Amino acid sequence: ILNVEQSPQSLHVQEGDSTNFTCSFPSSNFYALHWYRWETAKSPEALFVMTLNGDEKKKGRISATLNTKEGYSYLYIKGSQPEDSATYLCAFTEGGKLIFGQGTELSVKP
Amino acid sequence: NAGVTQTPKFQVLKTGQSMTLQCAQDMNHEYMSWYRQDPGMGLRLIHYSVGAGITDQGEVPNGYNVSRSTTEDFPLRLLSAAPSQTSVYFCASRGQGIRNEKLFFGSGTQLSVL
Repeated sequence: ILNVEQSPQSLHVQEGDSTNFTCSFPSSNFYALHWYRWETAKSPEALFVMTLNGDEKKKGRISATLNTKEGYSYLYIKGSQPEDSATYLCAFTEGGKLIFGQGTELSVKP
Repeated sequence: NAGVTQTPKFQVLKTGQSMTLQCAQDMNHEYMSWYRQDPGMGLRLIHYSVGAGITDQGEVPNGYNVSRSTTEDFPLRLLSAAPSQTSVYFCASRGQGIRNEKLFFGSGTQLSVL
């Protein structure tokens, strides 16, 4: 089973700050990289699924980039808001199954 | 439009008891999976299936059994519950046709084993 690493484990920012997280994954046999947003007491919801090296995806103030050759993806949040507080998970597709990282817990203070 | 339906939402078991967590999806998804969520450990894959009649182990399969007799259903069985299986369990499914298919999650089952 491969290793998907996320950093930092947790992050506390002020409203209006911009922030970013990292997801590292094995660079060989790449298929797809997923990002999910997981609010407390809810189920994870997909933000992005990225399949091509150099991919950039954007959804409102949240964007993500992908480097399959070096095995990392960045998730950016511009102008964080309290409603962005959640755990952000990345997942790597390997042999048909999705393996998740341990997540980055973001807390945005008003 | 039900999506992924998990039952029950909450369950308390005594050590050694058995139970089945139910998962059903109505999106004709080939891929179905079970994850457990423990503090600081994200989601860990228990078992998964890429189609009816096909199942395989994930990262933490010990103590759990699965079967996939239909495309719609993917139950997770605990044969003899242990306190280490206290966790929140999520079922998730997706299509397999294209690379950028996202996972759809059920609402979760909070299981306590005493």
